[in-house]
Amino acid sequence: GAVVSQHPSWVICKSGTSVKIECRSLDFQATTMFWYRQFPKQSLMLMATSNEGSKATYEQGVEKDKFLINHASLTLSTLTVTSAHPEDSSFYICSARDPGGQEDTQYFGPGTRLTVL
Amino acid sequence: QKEVEQDPGPLSVPEGAIVSLNCTYSNSAFQYFMWYRQYSRKGPELLMYTYSSGNKEDGRFTAQVDKSSKYISLFIRDSQPSDSATYLCAMAKDSNYQLIWGAGTKLIIKP
Repeated sequence: GAVVSQHPSWVICKSGTSVKIECRSLDFQATTMFWYRQFPKQSLMLMATSNEGSKATYEQGVEKDKFLINHASLTLSTLTVTSAHPEDSSFYICSARDPGGQEDTQYFGPGTRLTVL
Repeated sequence: QKEVEQDPGPLSVPEGAIVSLNCTYSNSAFQYFMWYRQYSRKGPELLMYTYSSGNKEDGRFTAQVDKSSKYISLFIRDSQPSDSATYLCAMAKDSNYQLIWGAGTKLIIKP
């Protein structure tokens, strides 16, 4: 099946710093990637949808200037949490759509746990 | 009312039992139905993918979709402790594939 990787898997940073999370599709080209965040014992919350070469579409309530998304290639999307604060601590998960696969759906990365001190 | 309803559980069953997990939905426009399994502190893993109504079987897993009742199910036969995880249903309306998620059901298989 389609494989999606994320890096880093775990990051701790000080309040006010910026953190970049990478999402890569390893064995397919992903025209569309998605970024989610998940709080403990809750379901996934879609933050934004990014299409290669164009600006990301953010969900209502998600600050686009705080969560910068870049989808510069068909295999790489990045999420940068700018000026992170403790309330940004969460589990961030990306997914990528494999339109050429047998099952045209989203495949998820392993997630990145962000802790802001 | 949420578009997709799923009982968060936890659901605890003995090893070897048949597990039934369910979701209901309100929007008849959903055409694609998926079940994902998520272990603690991991990303979701696609288990089953179904288009429109009907059944689909893959090993110990069977997915059912009843569009007339707006009800989907995932059955797990011969459940194992390794099946203990949170199971999320997800649905999509069209080829944009923005997924609408259920809350996830935490499943515990007791040895």
